[in-house]
Amino acid sequence: DAKTTQPNSMESNEEEPVHLPCNHSTISGTDYIHWYRQLPSQGPEYVIHGLTSNVNNRMASLAIAEDRKSSTLILHRATLRDAAVYYCIRDNAGGTSYGKLTFGQGTILTVHP
Amino acid sequence: SQTIHQWPATLVQPVGSPLSLECTVEGTSNPNLYWYRQAAGRGLQLLFYSVGIGQISSEVPQNLSASRPQDRQFILSSKKLLLSDSGFYLCAWSVSSGRRTDTQYFGPGTRLTVL
Repeated sequence: DAKTTQPNSMESNEEEPVHLPCNHSTISGTDYIHWYRQLPSQGPEYVIHGLTSNVNNRMASLAIAEDRKSSTLILHRATLRDAAVYYCIRDNAGGTSYGKLTFGQGTILTVHP
Repeated sequence: SQTIHQWPATLVQPVGSPLSLECTVEGTSNPNLYWYRQAAGRGLQLLFYSVGIGQISSEVPQNLSASRPQDRQFILSSKKLLLSDSGFYLCAWSVSSGRRTDTQYFGPGTRLTVL
């Protein structure tokens, strides 16, 4: 049970912004939201994480709704190299997770030239 | 800098044969280590994780086992492979701070086909 819901696929054009949504309506107050992405035939790589406030890094921005029941990963200018499966992960609460991540099906992002 | 290695990169094995996949991490000490499997399609399933030498936790009952004989070595094994063991096996590491925000760094993976 990944406990997050994402669209199966999305498409974008190169150099346009991409907004990847994620629903996590049963999130608890101490659960972080993590985003990883997986390029074809590679292992996943970390993108960003957040708890309550919006977060920015060199790869992307993470916008978290005020009620924390949803979040959006924002790629400001998509490139062909951003084509990947994007996973929104709610970490396992309970205090004994040791960083265990539960990956769902993710969103396949296709970027058109 | 830290690096993570997995081998072999690809493997084709007959049903009933044994399996040994190896993962090593360089450039860090006392990492948390993880084995994931990705079957056809998407979605990764956590199989095992380890917080120290000889300490293995299993997430899913199956015919696979894991061992951590050295601090930065993690091995996935099976005595008899099943067809359902086919998949993309990924090893990952994270620092051992215990915080849920610790990033996991994944290896290049081993693609296993059981025939």
